[in-house]
Amino acid sequence: GAGVSQSPSNKVTEKGKDVELRCDPISGHTALYWYRQSLGQGLEFLIYFQGNSAPDKSGLPSDRFSAERTGGSVSTLTIQRTQQEDSAVYLCASSEWTSGRAVYEQYFGPGTRLTVT
Amino acid sequence: LAKTTQPISMDSYEGQEVNITCSHNNIATNDYITWYQQFPSQGPRFIIQGYKTKVTNEVASLFIPADRKSSTLSLPRVSLSDTAVYYCLVGDTDKLIFGTGTRLQVFP
Repeated sequence: GAGVSQSPSNKVTEKGKDVELRCDPISGHTALYWYRQSLGQGLEFLIYFQGNSAPDKSGLPSDRFSAERTGGSVSTLTIQRTQQEDSAVYLCASSEWTSGRAVYEQYFGPGTRLTVT
Repeated sequence: LAKTTQPISMDSYEGQEVNITCSHNNIATNDYITWYQQFPSQGPRFIIQGYKTKVTNEVASLFIPADRKSSTLSLPRVSLSDTAVYYCLVGDTDKLIFGTGTRLQVFP
């Protein structure tokens, strides 16, 4: 079946502009995650959703970052007033939720490469 | 969440067995140990998960000693296509903390 998809695959934007990144999880997966990966670095956790609610937003770097999920499916990550340090690959993942605890096998999308000029 | 420590990089040759050890001294009772693999320009991919003793699947084996303060990912007979970054994660929640991982380079 279809995996996690993300769009756009690449985004170049000017400093100060807002951007919206989209994630389509695997159908039926109730947990959805956003990560950020800078060049040559490990993954930085941003936020995760259980259904449409976000129990943990602690990884969002600043109040310029926000995310929402509707219908327990698609999620968007919005970055307002982008800065050059926001340049990174933004990865989305989804997983099943079993017995009140997520199954750890997260399925990752290909990512969106964001470049802020 | 328990912090993990793993080597920054490792080199190997095709056909050899590779063992990558991860230290997690502060692992909690409910924590599981999970390993992911990441190729360049791709998202990470789940390899294996365990709680204690040994777990084996078609890709790798995971060895966990009784005290669970470390774990070892074993890749049998690596090939060039196993060149990737390998992440060790420990936790019992959905919030996965990825470190910088171990960059494995396999040479012909």
